[in-house]
Amino acid sequence: DTAVSQTPKYLVTQMGNDKSIKCEQNLGHDTMYWYKQDSKKFLKIMFSYNNKELIINETVPNRFSPKSPDKAHLNLHINSLELGDSAVYFCASKGGSSGNTIYFGEGSWLTVV
Amino acid sequence: RKEVEQDPGPFNVPEGATVAFNCTYSNSASQSFFWYRQDCRKEPKLLMSVYSSGNEDGRFTAQLNRASQYISLLIRDSKLSDSATYLCVVRGRTNSGYALNFGKGTSLLVTP
Repeated sequence: DTAVSQTPKYLVTQMGNDKSIKCEQNLGHDTMYWYKQDSKKFLKIMFSYNNKELIINETVPNRFSPKSPDKAHLNLHINSLELGDSAVYFCASKGGSSGNTIYFGEGSWLTVV
Repeated sequence: RKEVEQDPGPFNVPEGATVAFNCTYSNSASQSFFWYRQDCRKEPKLLMSVYSSGNEDGRFTAQLNRASQYISLLIRDSKLSDSATYLCVVRGRTNSGYALNFGKGTSLLVTP
């Protein structure tokens, strides 16, 4: 019954590989996000979608491509992974009666070796 | 200059102590303010919203000073379970739209 769920939770992969992280929310929210939290613990927005449409794209390398097949899902595909991509990626959602409160998934720990 | 600035700490306090965290934000047009809590290796979770008149939730009190662009969080009677990182969050403009901007967080350790 997790509200925002993302998979995988842990991912270790080699430089140059392509990987995807999936996210689903069952809260009926219209807006979904991807945030990145680096080793310095700074949580920074990457993308935001509202009802499947991209509304925020924050100077993220174009190796990162989000895809929203419907408003309950927002997946993140990363091409040609680099060492600096190692971080925790949090999916989040907002909408309805939650106002401006956003709800995060448990995070996906990506390590590029 | 970062949108949201906080003292990273750590703040080490004994159980029962009162501790206060401060945060400043750069965009005077910001409208919504929050404190989130993040436990080690967990996702951030909303602790409380911050309203213009200040607001209280149990042992937690949040204050907003728009003139100084300053937000505070006061925790009274600290419990061991309050140990976490406290993130100051401001809804404001990003390069391409509006989003929640997070501070780097202030680390709190409550000791027996």
